[in-house]
Amino acid sequence: EVQMLASGGGLVQPGGSLRLSCVVSGLNFNVYTMSWVRQAPRKGLEWVSSITPSGVHTYYADSVKGRFTISRDNSKNTVHLQMNSLTAEDTAIHYCATYEGHLTYWGQGTLVTVSS
Amino acid sequence: DIVMTQTPLSLPVTLGQPASISCRSSQSLVHSDGATYLSWLHQRPGQPPRLLIYKISKRFSGVPDRFSGSGAGTDFTLTISRVEPEDVGVYYCMQAPQFPLTFGGGTKVEIK
Repeated sequence: EVQMLASGGGLVQPGGSLRLSCVVSGLNFNVYTMSWVRQAPRKGLEWVSSITPSGVHTYYADSVKGRFTISRDNSKNTVHLQMNSLTAEDTAIHYCATYEGHLTYWGQGTLVTVSS
Repeated sequence: DIVMTQTPLSLPVTLGQPASISCRSSQSLVHSDGATYLSWLHQRPGQPPRLLIYKISKRFSGVPDRFSGSGAGTDFTLTISRVEPEDVGVYYCMQAPQFPLTFGGGTKVEIK
């Protein structure tokens, strides 16, 4: 059974930083492109970032480019999202997901709330 | 960026009756490898999305056969042949032949 456990969310002030992590089990993590997708309260889905299996190639939505950094540790089956310069518009549940031309497996998500 | 437009926004359905959701992309979703990367996701309240259909019409593991996908080029349809109570929630189409990945705005399915 595939399990994806996201953590690291919480309440942060505008301008602050958070680091999200997603630990994956039940599949061969090393061969999957990993992605983060977020969902603001009562809104739809927004793709945030993706990273290829080797970590060489990374992709970002324009809304987070220059502020967020995706990375992975294949020895720990973990993908991270470093989020800096957070604003209220970043308030959302952040989901990690595997990508193979479609988003196949999803974690439960971790809530990020940016507020003073 | 590829814009995905879903209709309708809301879909009241009768149990046991069929239901269809449309999705249109602003440009072709055919990848250079020949595949069309259009997928459908279902999200129940309080749950993460789950994959239903990928590459237009392929059902993901465990998805009931009452769900089917069709279409080509820029126009796609998700059909539920007979709606069951557990089918309520929001359905999203998604394109993925290129980054940024983009989603339709969602269609909320509810029982009449």
